[in-house]
Amino acid sequence: GEDVEQSLFLSVREGDSSVINCTYTDSSSTYLYWYKQEPGAGLQLLTYIFSNMDMKQDQRLTVLLNKKDKHLSLRIADTQTGDSAIYFCAESIGAGNNRKLIWGLGTSLAVNP
Amino acid sequence: DAGVTQSPTHLIKTRGQQVTLRCSPKSGHDTVSWYQQALGQGPQFIFQYYEEEERQRGNFPDRFSGHQFPNYSSELNVNALLLGDSALYLCASSRGGLPAYEQYFGPGTRLTVT
Repeated sequence: GEDVEQSLFLSVREGDSSVINCTYTDSSSTYLYWYKQEPGAGLQLLTYIFSNMDMKQDQRLTVLLNKKDKHLSLRIADTQTGDSAIYFCAESIGAGNNRKLIWGLGTSLAVNP
Repeated sequence: DAGVTQSPTHLIKTRGQQVTLRCSPKSGHDTVSWYQQALGQGPQFIFQYYEEEERQRGNFPDRFSGHQFPNYSSELNVNALLLGDSALYLCASSRGGLPAYEQYFGPGTRLTVT
């Protein structure tokens, strides 16, 4: 089946690291993505990882992929108040004209000063 | 580059009415996808347009239809509105055939059906 699951809420203190977790069910995923959505705004692509990679680092963001367990995580180092938002995990499945994104419900990150 | 733009930003309609939402893709993009995001949910894929044709469709009824113009802009039409159609409608643009990481989202249109 096609399902992406995330915990709904995460609260951290400013300056700490945040880790947002995601599990997916479709083993044929090609790309996995993290999107950020701030209140009243559209979706911003933060980072993505190809399914044959284990890790990707981009400045304060680190993505870890455990393909065996179908587990994806996003680590935000030195979390700031501006990081408060909803973070969506999404997987790309299918190929060609049948390619589509399956989305999680989003994790609401609250950063406390 | 203005990125992906959508209009209007907010809209209030009554049950049974029809609505048209508009999207202009990012410069250089020729593919437009539409998503529905209900409150507290992730985006749900409605359909995608490429070369003025619907290329892919999600699990949405025929009340949801669309169009793409020669300049790659797109419209989403919803007929016979239901209360459950209240949501944020997101448009995303990309270049045909490329993976979704090339997809850029607009700010969305907030539709409220009363």
